Amino acid sequence: AQKITQTQPGMFVQEKEAVTLDCTYDTSDQSYGLFWYKQPSSGEMIFLIYQGSYDEQNATEGRYSLNFQKARKSANLVISASQLGDSAMYFCAMREGPDTGTASKLTFGTGTRLQVTL
Amino acid sequence: ETGVTQTPRHLVMGMTNKKSLKCEQHLGHNAMYWYKQSAKKPLELMFVYNFKEQTENNSVPSRFSPECPNSSHLFLHLHTLQPEDSALYLCASSPDGTSYEQYFGPGTRLTVT
Repeated sequence: AQKITQTQPGMFVQEKEAVTLDCTYDTSDQSYGLFWYKQPSSGEMIFLIYQGSYDEQNATEGRYSLNFQKARKSANLVISASQLGDSAMYFCAMREGPDTGTASKLTFGTGTRLQVTL
Repeated sequence: ETGVTQTPRHLVMGMTNKKSLKCEQHLGHNAMYWYKQSAKKPLELMFVYNFKEQTENNSVPSRFSPECPNSSHLFLHLHTLQPEDSALYLCASSPDGTSYEQYFGPGTRLTVT
């Protein structure tokens, strides 16, 4: 079974509108972390936001917020006030287990291509 | 230079060639990673180095050989590759494993002919 599922291969949103990108995950660990990355056409993966499994509040970073619903095992990314520069691939990823001082291993989803239109 | 750099950005090689991909990070990190990104597939972790020691080999074929001479540099040596090895190869780094995010380079687009 996939550990990270992104069911939306592509999404369109109008400039200045908000958009939600879906992500569900599967883990039996109690301690884990969830990440969102943006990959523009240049190829570089850009870290956007992080949510720890024990964090009680949803993470926010500027126009990005993570809608974390632990019981449903979902970690959706919400982008508010979309901009043309937000057009890119977006990947959800998970680190299983706590930070133990060893290098962290991330499992990625297949991504969602977001296109922002005028 | 800042961040994570990768060279070359594009590489075309025949199946009998030997080539190397280079990654350099200027962030003072101690962990480095190689990922493979194929079309329509999730990013796949290949190798992890922590403080220059390999801590993860994710069942990668031996035609891919990593090398980490120091915490700032990571190489991926390639030989006798197959066409299905064509992909974007991404390098990433993070502080010693206690941080939350990994910082990625721009990738090397590899085409095997």
